[in-house]
Amino acid sequence: QVQLVQSGAEVKKPGSSVKVSCKASGGTFSSYAITWVRQAPGQGLEWMGGIIPIFGTVNYAQKFQGRVTIIADESTGTAFLELSNLISEDTAVYYCARDKVPGSGSCDYWGQGVLVTVSS
Amino acid sequence: QSALTQPRSVSGSPGQSVTISCTGTSSDVGNYNYVSWYQQHPGKVPKLIIYDVSKRPSGVPDRFSGSKSGNTASLTISGLQAEDEADYYCCSYAGTYIVIFGGGTNLAVL
Repeated sequence: QVQLVQSGAEVKKPGSSVKVSCKASGGTFSSYAITWVRQAPGQGLEWMGGIIPIFGTVNYAQKFQGRVTIIADESTGTAFLELSNLISEDTAVYYCARDKVPGSGSCDYWGQGVLVTVSS
Repeated sequence: QSALTQPRSVSGSPGQSVTISCTGTSSDVGNYNYVSWYQQHPGKVPKLIIYDVSKRPSGVPDRFSGSKSGNTASLTISGLQAEDEADYYCCSYAGTYIVIFGGGTNLAVL
């Protein structure tokens, strides 16, 4: 059984950066595809990007290009999402999820989500 | 990378069937059989209920079914139950490991 455990809530100032972690257990981490999805308060799901360690590929949604970095540490089975130049509209719950088929968007296991609040 | 188009809300009575549409383009929904559907109750983590257009993960009732025609995918929920009241999101592969979501549909069970 795959389990994804994310780091705790964050409060950040506008213009700063946030780094959220997602530790996986169960299965073979290097064969996972990890997807990052965010959800602003009262809004829908928004795909941010994904990493496929076994292929060595990382892809980002056009909207976040230049501001987002996704990496994976295979030694610890942990994926990270870093978002820079934060603005108030980045206030959201950030989820990591495992993609059943790498890059397909069919995410069967999800982390609990991390609330990131951007406020001065 | 525009969001897929879903109706904002749908409703149905217990026991009825409802269908939620998800319209994309020939670059995403129309070109790949990687359409997924998620159910999300308020304050909860999204749950995968359909993947690869029409497959159900283990444990998802067969009341939930998915299909696709051209650039539009559909989720049908038959025998509506009160616990089906939730938000539903479609999601499609759009090539080069890019994924896009629909805007979400709120299902009310009246």
